[in-house]
Amino acid sequence: GENVEQHPSTLSVQEGDSAVIKCTYSDSASNYFPWYKQELGKRPQLIIDIRSNVGEKKDQRIAVTLNKTAKHFSLHITETQPEDSAVYFCAASIIDNNDMRFGAGTRLTVKP
Amino acid sequence: NAGVTQTPKFQVLKTGQSMTLQCAQDMNHNSMYWYRQDPGMGLRLIYYSASEGTTDKGEVPNGYNVSRLNKREFSLRLESAAPSQTSVYFCASTLRTGSLGYTFGSGTRLTVV
Repeated sequence: GENVEQHPSTLSVQEGDSAVIKCTYSDSASNYFPWYKQELGKRPQLIIDIRSNVGEKKDQRIAVTLNKTAKHFSLHITETQPEDSAVYFCAASIIDNNDMRFGAGTRLTVKP
Repeated sequence: NAGVTQTPKFQVLKTGQSMTLQCAQDMNHNSMYWYRQDPGMGLRLIYYSASEGTTDKGEVPNGYNVSRLNKREFSLRLESAAPSQTSVYFCASTLRTGSLGYTFGSGTRLTVV
C-alpha cells in the first residue's frame, strides 16, 4: 500500500517568514494529494488539495507543488501569522480508492 | 448543518470493557471512515464504508468492528478494550471516495486503563 513520509516533524518560524513542509509518497498511482490543518484539540480541516494533472495550486498565502517524477509534494505558506500555528498533515490517495494515507504531521509554530 | 457529529467526546474504559463510538453526517456523503490518531503517527485508517451497506478493513482493523447503519451513520465498536487502543478517534466522510477532501468529526479521546 501507499506510504507517505512527511518532513520536518517540527518547524518554527518568525512571523512574516515562509514555511515549507515536504511529503514523499511511494505509490506512483496516487493522484490526489490533500493537506489538512489541525489546531490544538480540534479536528483536521482541509486547507488545499491538488490532483496529479496539476503541478501547482495556490490559495492566497498557501500553495502546494507536486513533482510526480520524484513522487513528492510540498506545502508552502508565505507571510506566516501566529494563527498559522498548528499541525499540518499531508495525504495521498488514488481517486475512487478508499485507502488515503496520511503523513505523520508537522507541528508548525509561528513566533510573533 | 452540523457536518460530522461524533459521540462521545471523551471516554475512559477499563481493560476488557466494550463500547461503541457513534458517528453521523448530514451532508449526504457516500463514504465514511474511522481513523485513529496517535502521537507521531498521523492518522491511520481503521475501517471504512465506501457506500451504504458495505464496510472494509483499513490499515489497523484488529480489535475493532464497524456497522454502517444507514447512509448517515457509521459506528465503531471495541469489543474488549486494550490499553493499546488508547487514542483519539476521528470519523470522517466524503462525497466521492478518494478524490475530495474529507470532513472530519470533532474526535473522541479514549483512554483504556
